[in-house]
Amino acid sequence: EAGVAQSPRYKIIEKRQSVAFWCNPISGHATLYWYQQILGQGPKLLIQFQNNGVVDDSQLPKDRFSAERLKGVDSTLKIQPAKLEDSAVYLCASSLVDLRHLNTEAFFGQGTRLTVV
Amino acid sequence: KQEVTQIPAALSVPEGENLVLNCSFTDSAIYNLQWFRQDPGKGLTSLLLIQSSQREQTSGRLNASLDKSSGRSTLYIAASQPGDSATYLCAETNNAGNMLTFGGGTRLMVKP
Repeated sequence: EAGVAQSPRYKIIEKRQSVAFWCNPISGHATLYWYQQILGQGPKLLIQFQNNGVVDDSQLPKDRFSAERLKGVDSTLKIQPAKLEDSAVYLCASSLVDLRHLNTEAFFGQGTRLTVV
Repeated sequence: KQEVTQIPAALSVPEGENLVLNCSFTDSAIYNLQWFRQDPGKGLTSLLLIQSSQREQTSGRLNASLDKSSGRSTLYIAASQPGDSATYLCAETNNAGNMLTFGGGTRLMVKP
């Protein structure tokens, strides 16, 4: 079974530039998450999709971050314009159904490491 | 707001030692708790998932326990090996929300 795919693996941009990350979840997984992991910290949820609808985006800085999941499969996360403090690893995860279902796990991709200079 | 804390933040042990990693959470309305491993520059690998109705789960040399009443989970690693060196993260799912809330992680170094 293929895992969660993310690209690119690494990205270096200057502040005020824009950047986009792509995620392809495990086939058939309805729920998709984007997490931000700052160095030395645990991941923090940015946005969560159920199929192509947003379930929770309360921690997404909407003035500069946006995300979409067209057709309920792949997803893109965009930052425009980027700030220095956006330097982090952006992790995509997926789960078959809601995590509150019995024995449902979240599976993570390798992440995209963003450096803003 | 749920909070998840992991202590210690870093741990160094000699090879062969048994060790315990701690995870505490503030919200008793936990639905499940998941332990992950993260290698440098990599994503998260799921190790064990414990439902709130369970007390523990085992996989090989790993054993995770859950005590809802005290708000704690522990990950026990038996006979540690240098290959166990990584960051270990715990994350809870709360009954109110379909998301993982993570602790800060414990960075483990097992010395040969």
